Parts: sequence; structure tokens; C-alpha cells
Amino acid sequence: EVQLVESGGGLVQPGGSLRLSCAASGFTFSSYEVNWVRQAPGKGLEWISYISSGGSTIYYADSVKGRFTISRDNAKNSLSLQMNTLRAEDTAVYYCANGYNYLHYWGQGTLVTVSS
Amino acid sequence: EIVLTQSPATLSLSPGERATLSCRASQSVSSYLAWYQQKPGQAPRLLIYDASNRATGVPARFSGSGSGTDFTLSISSLEPEDFAVYYCQQRSSWPLITFGQGTRLEIK
Repeated sequence: EVQLVESGGGLVQPGGSLRLSCAASGFTFSSYEVNWVRQAPGKGLEWISYISSGGSTIYYADSVKGRFTISRDNAKNSLSLQMNTLRAEDTAVYYCANGYNYLHYWGQGTLVTVSS
Repeated sequence: EIVLTQSPATLSLSPGERATLSCRASQSVSSYLAWYQQKPGQAPRLLIYDASNRATGVPARFSGSGSGTDFTLSISSLEPEDFAVYYCQQRSSWPLITFGQGTRLEIK
């Protein structure tokens, strides 16, 4: 069974940093592209970052470019999102999801709250 | 950026009825469109990809159609578990994939 489990969310002050993780199991993680998608409370879905299976190709949405960094460790079947200079508008549930251009499997998400 | 506009915002129907949800793109996305279902407190689930292909395990009552700028998700006979929020997503401008704002399907 494919599983993606996010962790690392929490409450952080504006300007602060947080690192999210996503642990994958049930599939050959190193063969699949992975994305981060977020959902602000009561709002819709926003794609924010993509990383290729080998980690050599990375993309970001303009809203997070220069502040967030995606990375993966295929030996540990894990994905990370380093989030710096956080803003109130970054408050959301953050999901990891696998897939190249459609998102086939999703984790349950981790809530990030940016507030003083 | 390709904007996807979903209608209606809320659809109120009874179990057993047919549901028709729409998604309109601000420019042609060919057939590169997907539909997702999201229930409260859960992650989205992929239902349809490339406009009309059902994802693994999706019941046959779900079907998708359309191309270019106008797309439809149909649910032939609503089951209680189908009441949820539905999002469309385009991949035409990959890597910048975008989602519609969602349609809430509620029990009448």
C-alpha cells in the first residue's frame, strides 16, 4: 500500500523557519517525482514545489521561490521542504503527493501556522 | 497562469441523483485536466486524469469529459460517500499546475 506521511508542522512566528518531512513507503520512491501542495484553511489547493525522481530537476511556485527549498533522500525514502522567512499567508496544511503532472497519491498533510 | 473556474460553487442534490460539475479554463489545456475529490479532514484523491480516464479504483459512476477549455465531471447516481468537494487541475502549463477553486457537493 502506498503511504506518504508528512511531519514537522507546527506554530512558528513570522520570519521564522520550519522543516517539513514526508516519509514514503509501499512503492519505489526513487522512481517517482514528488510535489508539495498546500491548502490554506478553508481554501483551495496550491501547488508549490516539484522534484524529479533523481532530485536533479526542481521547480517552485513564485509564491515560495527563494524562501522554500525542496530536497529528497532516496536512500531514506524521504522528501523534505525547508521553509524560511515564513509569512502569515504561508499558513496552510502542507501535503506531499507523488506524480509527474497529476498527483496520484497524497499524504494526510501537516499543518503549518505562522502567527505571532 | 492558466486559471480554472469551477461551477457551481455549491451543488445540492439527493442520493441517487445525477451530478454534473463544470470546470472552465482561461485558455486551452487540450485534454490535460484532472479531477480530485476531497472529503473533510482528508487529503484529495485523484478521480479522473487526462479529462476522461478513471484513476485506479475509482467507481464507474464517475466520468469525465471535455477538451480545450470546457470540462465536465459527472456522477451518474450519487452515493452518500460522494458528497465532498471536487477540484479540477490542469497540467498543460506544467510545472506550474493549477487547481480550480472547488465545487462543494452537498446533500439536499
